[in-house]
Amino acid sequence: SAVISQKPSRDICQRGTSLTIQCQVDSQVTMMFWYRQQPGQSLTLIATANQGSEATYESGFVIDKFPISRPNLTFSTLTVSNMSPEDSSIYLCSVGVSGANVLTFGAGSRLTVL
Amino acid sequence: AQKVTQAQTEISVVEKEDVTLDCVYETRDTTYYLFWYKQPPSGELVFLIRRNSFDEQNEISGRYSWNFQKSTSSFNFTITASQVVDSAVYFCALSEALYNFNKFYFGSGTKLNVKP
Repeated sequence: SAVISQKPSRDICQRGTSLTIQCQVDSQVTMMFWYRQQPGQSLTLIATANQGSEATYESGFVIDKFPISRPNLTFSTLTVSNMSPEDSSIYLCSVGVSGANVLTFGAGSRLTVL
Repeated sequence: AQKVTQAQTEISVVEKEDVTLDCVYETRDTTYYLFWYKQPPSGELVFLIRRNSFDEQNEISGRYSWNFQKSTSSFNFTITASQVVDSAVYFCALSEALYNFNKFYFGSGTKLNVKP
């Protein structure tokens, strides 16, 4: 299965700032996704990162708050903009590999906003 | 509507005890896929198993076993002779289509504490 590297693994940020999370996959993948996991909660899909076009956002998530880039088939970034304490979460990159039929996750980026 | 329910928020057992994690799902589709993922304290979600709706055979992998029953819409996970390393949050998930990865529905998770 694909190996996913996420950076940073954790960070502590100040309110009002922005942070960009990087996701690097060791092989080309068609489908890349960003999930959020708030403390003690389940996973919520933020958006599908589309290569060469704008990301597809789920209800409740907007591009101004969570801009996503996907310049190629192995890399994506998620920016959390104008952060507030409510944005404190684990942000997980995941990929879907056709044929493997499994959603694979990175180790996550644990973000704390003060 | 699609939904996955894990009624057990947290379970504590002593090492070597058997433990079963419950998962109940709802879907209108006749074809669907069920998954279990493990999330250790490190945070990464680890894939454990995938079952499709056409295969109700139970599966065993080492100390892990899964009981899939369509009649009760359940996909329960049993750990036999639990170990401290099994301590983690376990998520059950439902997907409606094999290649539609963005339609994953996760349960709220069950935190398993295995004490020595």
